[in-house]
Amino acid sequence: KAGVTQTPRYLIKTRGQQVTLSCSPISGHRSVSWYQQTPGQGLQFLFEYFSETQRNKGNFPGRFSGRQFSNSRSEMNVSTLELGDSALYLCASSPDAGTASYEQYFGPGTRLTVT
Amino acid sequence: AQSVTQPDIHITVSEGASLELRCNYSYGATPYLFWYVQSPGQGLQLLLKYFSGDTLVQGIKGFEAEFKRSQSSFNLRKPSVHWSDAAEYFCAVGAREDQGGKLIFGQGTELSVKP
Repeated sequence: KAGVTQTPRYLIKTRGQQVTLSCSPISGHRSVSWYQQTPGQGLQFLFEYFSETQRNKGNFPGRFSGRQFSNSRSEMNVSTLELGDSALYLCASSPDAGTASYEQYFGPGTRLTVT
Repeated sequence: AQSVTQPDIHITVSEGASLELRCNYSYGATPYLFWYVQSPGQGLQLLLKYFSGDTLVQGIKGFEAEFKRSQSSFNLRKPSVHWSDAAEYFCAVGAREDQGGKLIFGQGTELSVKP
């Protein structure tokens, strides 16, 4: 079974621009979560989507948004990029069946650099 | 508040030596606990998980972890380290939300392996 895929793997953007990252979950997984990883803050939860609905949201500004499609694929968008948004963005999927909803499988990440 | 603490930022062990990485959590209810490993430039790979039952859990790559409720700990162990184990290791607790859940991660422990 193919793992979680994320595109693109690397991205360089300029401050003030916006960016869209894509994630395809493991086949059959219906929950998709996004995390931001930085050297200073570590791994932080952004949001979780299930059946095209945002179920949970972390403590990030409204510039960070996401969506999920009917095939469970998910995108996250960051508008008005700031230098501090430079990070590795990780997508994770889970089967969402009882306790398995916490068992998350991660993709390789998208490395975003804001200049 | 829910939190995970990994007291050791960096550990160096000799190849063939035993390994123990520490993890302490703060969570009101029975925790769901996880260990992930991240190689440079890669996403996170799930090593093992604890939901309930036997407090000693076995994972992939020869790793095991022991849940000790009285100490709020979930330490990761390996009897004999291989050079390929050099990576960053993250402990996480599954935090329940009204619907679905998210992972709260520790700051990570970087493992170096001496030949």
